[in-house]
Amino acid sequence: GQNIDQPTEMTATEGAIVQINCTYQTSGFNGLFWYQQHAGEAPTFLSYNVLDGLEEKGRFSSFLSRSKGYSYLLLKELQMKDSASYLCATMDSNYQLIWGAGTKLIIKP
Amino acid sequence: GAVVSQHPSWVICKSGTSVKIECRSLDFQATTMFWYRQFPKQSLMLMATSNEGSKATYEQGVEKDKFLINHASLTLSTLTVTSAHPEDSSFYICSARGGTESSPLHFGNGTRLTVT
Repeated sequence: GQNIDQPTEMTATEGAIVQINCTYQTSGFNGLFWYQQHAGEAPTFLSYNVLDGLEEKGRFSSFLSRSKGYSYLLLKELQMKDSASYLCATMDSNYQLIWGAGTKLIIKP
Repeated sequence: GAVVSQHPSWVICKSGTSVKIECRSLDFQATTMFWYRQFPKQSLMLMATSNEGSKATYEQGVEKDKFLINHASLTLSTLTVTSAHPEDSSFYICSARGGTESSPLHFGNGTRLTVT
């Protein structure tokens, strides 16, 4: 079956670093996406990984290991505005997105 | 770039009436559009996938006669909730994908529907 696991909730301190993990099992693989979703708003695209390795984009980085079915989103220099849910989604062999339940990130001063 | 406009942002309607939600890709041609529903504190639930000029593909458990989807052009898709009931109250979000099949989805701002 197809399954994506990510922690339900994480708490971190402003200015610190946090890593949000995502493990997946899908029928075929055409990439992994990370989205940010603030409460009451629609998701916004953060990153896309299809090859193994680390993709850095400003304060956010995303890592993928296809052999391990594993990805993480790394957020550096945390700001209060980073408080949101972070959604991991994989694209299967039919180019359909399989969504994780999201990780609610709480940033404390 | 890659802006998706969704309208209205929120709507309140009476039970039994119909509501139409529009989704437009403003600066790209969306070959595929997706409609999602999200209940509070829950994950996105895909309702249907629509390709321009063809019938939408509905997910299991989604009534196609209740949730009418039209994707008449490469920049516009509409979702009509027919004979709405209070249990249809939810956050409806459209997303669009241009380019290749592996291109990221870009989401509209969502429509919060409340049925009284």
